[in-house]
Amino acid sequence: SQQGEEDPQALSIQEGENATMNCSYKTSINNLQWYRQNSGRGLVHLILIRSNEREKHSGRLRVTLDTSKKSSSLLITASRAADTASYFCATRSTGNQFYFGTGTSLTVIP
Amino acid sequence: GAVVSQHPSWVICKSGTSVKIECRSLDFQATTMFWYRQFPKQSLMLMATSNEGSKATYEQGVEKDKFLINHASLTLSTLTVTSAHPEDSSFYICSAQTGAGNTIYFGEGSWLTVV
Repeated sequence: SQQGEEDPQALSIQEGENATMNCSYKTSINNLQWYRQNSGRGLVHLILIRSNEREKHSGRLRVTLDTSKKSSSLLITASRAADTASYFCATRSTGNQFYFGTGTSLTVIP
Repeated sequence: GAVVSQHPSWVICKSGTSVKIECRSLDFQATTMFWYRQFPKQSLMLMATSNEGSKATYEQGVEKDKFLINHASLTLSTLTVTSAHPEDSSFYICSAQTGAGNTIYFGEGSWLTVV
């Protein structure tokens, strides 16, 4: 299986705190993407980081990538209750298939 | 922006029947579409890749006779779950790739419940 792994599986924090989730993957990549999924809904693309990038920011999101360790992290700063969702990393194969990580379920307590 | 539409969003069917889920690219031609399956509280698992006008390529462990995929046009791919069983109950998501730039767009998903 090319599925990656994420940790923690579940994370519960207070509103205003930062949330960090990690992703490890197995194959060589051109880029890695992070998605958000609200319960029972489709995917929302958050951010893409290319293999030659080490860090990328988008609003309250900060993504890092370490290709030598085949790992990435997603940091959400100043979390809000509306950030409650599942977050998945995804790597894209040369055939354009997406292989998703196991996901982190984030709960932000108001 | 580009939109991928899935229909139906929710479907309940009886065991033993077949159910079809459609995935449409609304404002672009999708040379390739992908079907994913997601069980509750789990990740998305790629089931198959379908290219317009050719047979789908299934991932290991996915029964091609059970999950029939048709990609008859550049804007429509269908997934038919044949002889459905309760264990087929899941969330099915498609994605579509544009020919230019290889951008991928995801549908909103379809909930299948087999009773």
